[in-house]
Amino acid sequence: AAGVIQSPRHLIKEKRETATLKCYPIPRHDTVYWYQQGPGQDPQFLISFYEKMQSDKGSIPDRFSAQQFSDYHSELNMSSLELGDSALYFCASSTGQGRSAEQFFGPGTRLTVL
Amino acid sequence: AQTVTQSQPEMSVQEAETVTLSCTYDTSESDYYLFWYKQPPSRQMILVIRQEAYKQQNATENRFSVNFQKAAKSFSIKISDSQLGDAAMYFCAYRSASGTDKLIFGTGTRLQVFP
Repeated sequence: AAGVIQSPRHLIKEKRETATLKCYPIPRHDTVYWYQQGPGQDPQFLISFYEKMQSDKGSIPDRFSAQQFSDYHSELNMSSLELGDSALYFCASSTGQGRSAEQFFGPGTRLTVL
Repeated sequence: AQTVTQSQPEMSVQEAETVTLSCTYDTSESDYYLFWYKQPPSRQMILVIRQEAYKQQNATENRFSVNFQKAAKSFSIKISDSQLGDAAMYFCAYRSASGTDKLIFGTGTRLQVFP
């Protein structure tokens, strides 16, 4: 079965650079979620989209922005990178806004800021 | 705001034995969902089991079962016949049944399985 695809899997950036993370949800999934997991920490919700509209926003820095495109893939743009942005970034997808819908996680993008 | 607490940073179990991981949560909502996710060394987040708050029956999934105590706001998972492949970080997570559907995670419990 098709899973959530994230690219790149690993990314190394310098401080103050920008990074773009991409997420391709499972086919026919219309909801995408982004989570950030720092070293030794639990995943923290950043932002979500349903049918290409932002549906919820968590503790996402103003330096970050995201969007969902017409083909339902999503991109997380991160500017003015800081050392503290080094983390594993997960994308998850689900079908509709059904509250019982399981969130399927991608393998994550490991971002290292030097 | 809802919170999830896992008070056991690490647990260990002998292969083929049974282990229980604890989770408590705080919410003022009456309808919600609870999940246990497994994160092995690959860092992939894998859903192990889920429980709907409106269901009184505890969920089971093969060797995994939960003890859901709604009044006590407790949601523990029992792993029976532990296998080496069960070694991982286990996260308890909460999701509202209305409004936001983001997952709120606990801090995790690292489970070690010894042969």
